[in-house]
Amino acid sequence: DAGVTQSPTHLIKTRGQQVTLRCSPISGHKSVSWYQQVLGQGPQFIFQYYEKEERGRGNFPDRFSARQFPNYSSELNVNALLLGDSALYLCASSPQSSSGNTIYFGEGSWLTVV
Amino acid sequence: EDQVTQSPEALRLQEGESSSLNCSYTVSGLRGLFWYRQDPGKGPEFLFTLYSAGEEKEKERLKATLTKKESFLHITAPKPEDSATYLCAVQRYSGSARQLTFGSGTQLTVLP
Repeated sequence: DAGVTQSPTHLIKTRGQQVTLRCSPISGHKSVSWYQQVLGQGPQFIFQYYEKEERGRGNFPDRFSARQFPNYSSELNVNALLLGDSALYLCASSPQSSSGNTIYFGEGSWLTVV
Repeated sequence: EDQVTQSPEALRLQEGESSSLNCSYTVSGLRGLFWYRQDPGKGPEFLFTLYSAGEEKEKERLKATLTKKESFLHITAPKPEDSATYLCAVQRYSGSARQLTFGSGTQLTVLP
């Protein structure tokens, strides 16, 4: 079975531009979360969506937004990019059911802002 | 606010030299404590979830344990391929939210 898939794997953007990152969860998983990981630190929570509704939001500015589609895939959008937005962006999926709470991560999208 | 502190930040072991990684946490209402392994440039790979104090789980050379304040990841007779960053994260009870709060990780290097 396919794991969590993310695209693109690497991208370079200029300050002030906008970026969209995409995520497909594991088949059957209805919960998708987004995390930001800067070098040398653990991942930091940005958003969680479950059944197409936002269920959690981390301490990130309004330049960050996300949505979940009927097929449970998700997009993360970041507007007005800053140099500090350079990081590995991770998507995670979970069944979020009584039968399981394991959270699986994708390989991430490396964003470099220049 | 949930907090996770991992120690040591970095650990170098000789092949076969067993050791433990520590994860201290503060959370109001622990739903689960997660351990992940992360290789350079890759996403975190799930290892274990522990739910209650006293619980233990094993996988090959790894064994995770949980108390009310901390978790340990014991590595028995490590091999060079065990070299990676090990991340600990907590999840609190919060309705339908499932966010994880991570520590900064322990970078493990196993020398042949």
